[in-house]
Amino acid sequence: NAGVMQNPRHLVRRRGQEARLRCSPVKGHSHVYWYRQLPEEGLKFMVYLQKENIIDESGMPKERFSAEFPKEGPSILRIQQVVRGDSAAYFCASSPKGGGNSPLHFGNGTRLTVT
Amino acid sequence: AQKVTQAQTEISVVEKEDVTLDCVYETRDTTYYLFWYKQPPSGELVFLIRRNSFDEQNEISGRYSWNFQKSTSSFNFTITASQVVDSAVYFCALSEAGGEYGNKLVFGAGTILRVKS
Repeated sequence: NAGVMQNPRHLVRRRGQEARLRCSPVKGHSHVYWYRQLPEEGLKFMVYLQKENIIDESGMPKERFSAEFPKEGPSILRIQQVVRGDSAAYFCASSPKGGGNSPLHFGNGTRLTVT
Repeated sequence: AQKVTQAQTEISVVEKEDVTLDCVYETRDTTYYLFWYKQPPSGELVFLIRRNSFDEQNEISGRYSWNFQKSTSSFNFTITASQVVDSAVYFCALSEAGGEYGNKLVFGAGTILRVKS
């Protein structure tokens, strides 16, 4: 059974470019979460999605960041006009259902570097 | 608001020593879940344990053990006879049980564990 798959593993973008991070959840999981780990910091929640719906985006920066989880295909975290401060590791996690008792399976992360 | 505090920023031990990583949490919820994750130098997040607020039994898994005490809002993690491969960043995390917010984890800042041979 494949776990959560994130790609690319490493992504380098110049300031002003767009970054697209992909996350394929565990097969059968319909709940996806994105977390960000800034250098020397812990992980911070960004957004929680179910298929075709954003449930909680309270951790998303108000501008330039967006996320989607379409009916078909992976979840996408999109960062427009990247800045150096966006450099971080972005982790995706999935669970079979909502609620705190559902185990979260994390991917290996995408390390974004903005030059 | 929920909060997780890992007061130890970095711990260094010599191989075979026992080491305890502290975790203190704050929540107003009566039902919640606590987690420990390991992040080795390769960067992935490895799930170690989940404990719900109604289960205060301590747990042992090989060289790992966890001590959950609701009275002090602590969920400490002990590694017995540490090994170099235990070197990693360890995160404690908390989530509320309500389905509305899914599994929104609040992480502590992490503790860097260095085990020297």
